[in-house]
Amino acid sequence: DQQVKQNSPSLSVQEGRISILNCDYTNSMFDYFLWYKKYPAEGPTFLISISSIKDKNEDGRFTVFLNKSAKHLSLHIVPSQPGDSAVYFCAASDGSGGSNYKLTFGKGTLLTVNP
Amino acid sequence: DTGVSQDPRHKITKRGQNVTFRCDPISEHNRLYWYRQTLGQGPEFLTYFQNEAQLEKSRLLSDRFSAERPKGSFSTLEIQRTEQGDSAMYLCATTQGVGSPLHFGNGTRLTVT
Repeated sequence: DQQVKQNSPSLSVQEGRISILNCDYTNSMFDYFLWYKKYPAEGPTFLISISSIKDKNEDGRFTVFLNKSAKHLSLHIVPSQPGDSAVYFCAASDGSGGSNYKLTFGKGTLLTVNP
Repeated sequence: DTGVSQDPRHKITKRGQNVTFRCDPISEHNRLYWYRQTLGQGPEFLTYFQNEAQLEKSRLLSDRFSAERPKGSFSTLEIQRTEQGDSAMYLCATTQGVGSPLHFGNGTRLTVT
């Protein structure tokens, strides 16, 4: 059973426009959410996180929105740059061992930003 | 480079052979995790250490798998009697603890022929 779902395997946007990546989860015990970016042949790199006590967290061009009632989160990238082209993973933790304990990942969304 | 270091980057082995991977954490990171990623999937949790203590193992970690973290520093993941289904990217990640994100290494790609 996929507890963290990224239903869009891929997304293509133009440089300078907004990229919106979506993630849904089913486990109501999840209380901490993270986004990771992954380039080929590299490990995932942490981007941004959000605790369930918040509904928005912003870091530069990256903003994560959390809708707990809908069990949905999204990552907005504005403006998108060609260097943002990568696979983006949504991850969640139930916090029982700490906020980053035993992350459950989605399958990822391949973002392509076209010049 | 002071990031998480994994060795080797690639390993090709024949079915039935044993393999061992190594992970060197970021200095002072007391929590260390092993994940496995197969094609088209996100990373899946395998096991977790706090210092030298192995605190949890996933059901994905069959009895052919063993992980150690002697002295709470580097960690090794050994797979005995490898099977083709073990082919995957094995990722190590470390963190200082609560409130700090996981920092992943670049992984070891295992191919079992």
